[in-house]
Amino acid sequence: DAGVTQSPTHLIKTRGQQVTLRCSPKSGHDTVSWYQQALGQGPQFIFQYYEEEERQRGNFPDRFSGHQFPNYSSELNVNALLLGDSALYLCASSLLTSGVPLSYNEQFFGPGTRLTVL
Amino acid sequence: DAKTTQPNSMESNEEEPVHLPCNHSTISGTDYIHWYRQLPSQGPEYVIHGLTSNVNNRMASLAIAEDRKSSTLILHRATLRDAAVYYCILGYNTDKLIFGTGTRLQVFP
Repeated sequence: DAGVTQSPTHLIKTRGQQVTLRCSPKSGHDTVSWYQQALGQGPQFIFQYYEEEERQRGNFPDRFSGHQFPNYSSELNVNALLLGDSALYLCASSLLTSGVPLSYNEQFFGPGTRLTVL
Repeated sequence: DAKTTQPNSMESNEEEPVHLPCNHSTISGTDYIHWYRQLPSQGPEYVIHGLTSNVNNRMASLAIAEDRKSSTLILHRATLRDAAVYYCILGYNTDKLIFGTGTRLQVFP
């Protein structure tokens, strides 16, 4: 079982550019959440996707958008990059099924994508 | 969102038990208590969770106060590999996880 995979591992962009990060969930999982982790801080929730729809959203501007594909993989897009967007971006997957958790569903995190904005 | 309070850092010697406290006085009736940890240069990983009763698994034990306003993560015998940031998080099952700054655990040989 490959677990949660993310690509790329590292990325360097300049201010104003756009970036797309990718995530493949753990096999059998249908829900993907994205988190931003600044240096020295805990991860901050960006949004969660289930059934190709945004299910929940944290306190992030519209520059942050996402997508979930029929195979449950997901993308995080960030437009008009700012220096403050430099962070580790984490993807987590879990199993929801029919919109209601049948049992406790721990979230499995990927290793993250390190984004540096210059 | 309910808030948790944890010490910034703790230290332990290898093979000693470690008790990591967490206060959550505003916990709601439907909030699970989740513990995740983040090893250096890795994404967070699940440790344990509970709702009302104490819980044990192969990694740790979770002791929950009777009023649910505090809990303690117990590592029975710390190893060097347990050095990590430990996060105590409240929330419903598959809801967003609201991480604080956690407790950085150092383990000395």
